[in-house]
Amino acid sequence: EAGVAQSPRYKIIEKRQSVAFWCNPISGHATLYWYQQILGQGPKLLIQFQNNGVVDDSQLPKDRFSAERLKGVDSTLKIQPAKLEDSAVYLCASSSSGETQYFGPGTRLLVL
Amino acid sequence: GNSVTQMEGPVTLSEEAFLTINCTYTATGYPSLFWYVQYPGEGLQLLLKATKADDKGSNKGFEATYRKETTSFHLEKGSVQVSDSAVYFCALSEFGNEKLTFGTGTRLTIIP
Repeated sequence: EAGVAQSPRYKIIEKRQSVAFWCNPISGHATLYWYQQILGQGPKLLIQFQNNGVVDDSQLPKDRFSAERLKGVDSTLKIQPAKLEDSAVYLCASSSSGETQYFGPGTRLLVL
Repeated sequence: GNSVTQMEGPVTLSEEAFLTINCTYTATGYPSLFWYVQYPGEGLQLLLKATKADDKGSNKGFEATYRKETTSFHLEKGSVQVSDSAVYFCALSEFGNEKLTFGTGTRLTIIP
């Protein structure tokens, strides 16, 4: 079974630029999550989708971050404009039901 | 709100040593508890979990027991190997809510 796929793996941008990350969850998984992991910290949930609807986006900085999950499968997370403090690893995870979340390898973002 | 407190690292042990990584939590209700592991260059992987008090999760020689009276979920292994070198995250989710709350992670290095 293929795991959660993410791209790109690494991205370097200047502050105030925009950037987008892509996630393809495990086939059949209805729930998709985006986490932000700042160096030295645990992952923090940004947004949770159930199929193509948002379940929880309470910690998403909506003035600069946006996410969508068209057709309830792939998802993109966008940052516009980026700030220095957005430098982090962005993790995508998916689950079918219950509690086990499966994580992708992450996208490492560096904002200069 | 929910929180997870982990033993600060880094932790360095010799091969075949006994490992304990402490984890305590604060939560309303009765959470499920997890240990995730992140090997170098890879995504988070579920190591083990426990869903109710006194449950013991185990995998790959690692164990953790859900202790409601001490609100703890300490990770243990009797004899560590070099291949166990990774970052270990303790996490919880509330009943009926798949959102994970993570600790800050503990970096473990095993030397031959």
